[in-house]
Amino acid sequence: AQTVTQSQPEMSVQEAETVTLSCTYDTSESDYYLFWYKQPPSRQMILVIRQEAYKQQNATENRFSVNFQKAAKSFSLKISDSQLGDAAMYFCAYRSASRAGSYQLTFGKGTKLSVIP
Amino acid sequence: DTEVTQTPKHLVMGMTNKKSLKCEQHMGHRAMYWYKQKAKKPPELMFVYSYEKLSINESVPSRFSPECPNSSLLNLHLHALQPEDSALYLCASSHADRGTTEAFFGQGTRLTVV
Repeated sequence: AQTVTQSQPEMSVQEAETVTLSCTYDTSESDYYLFWYKQPPSRQMILVIRQEAYKQQNATENRFSVNFQKAAKSFSLKISDSQLGDAAMYFCAYRSASRAGSYQLTFGKGTKLSVIP
Repeated sequence: DTEVTQTPKHLVMGMTNKKSLKCEQHMGHRAMYWYKQKAKKPPELMFVYSYEKLSINESVPSRFSPECPNSSLLNLHLHALQPEDSALYLCASSHADRGTTEAFFGQGTRLTVV
């Protein structure tokens, strides 16, 4: 079974600064996807960024980028130029690419990010 | 349209009531999911439907009964719930094959059992 570990229950960052959220995972599979989801107080889970395991290049989406280290099974999220709207719970998630028909997500416990004005 | 719509947004029910949660998507996704989320915890998978057939039931008590009447709709029928079943119930959908990987979530139904 796959496990996802987020070791930082809470983090804070000054507005306009950069913050990095950590995530490690354990799997015996070679083909999978990794995600960061954001859940603000409005409750909806919003996809922030995704990474395909077969791609060596780190994914980037505007101010969000990841540091994907496949051998180390590490998948950290960097948020640059933090904004007040970035305050939310962030979940790291794993999804197998090999189980056709049932691509459910395995989530980490989450990191609550606060942004200080 | 990249929306997953859940109704109702809030629900308060007694332990003897029967109610249903509804989830709808029009993205052509053939995999749909129910997750349960307690406060300050990650979502926990309950059920997965793939091509309108139940493919995963994570040992959920029978007082929760899922139904997938067609490829766009997913229901969760609730009966004789307990106060500990109070939680946020999230619906999600995704493609069921390898082609696309991301899951889209609804805003959830906040359920309170009294």
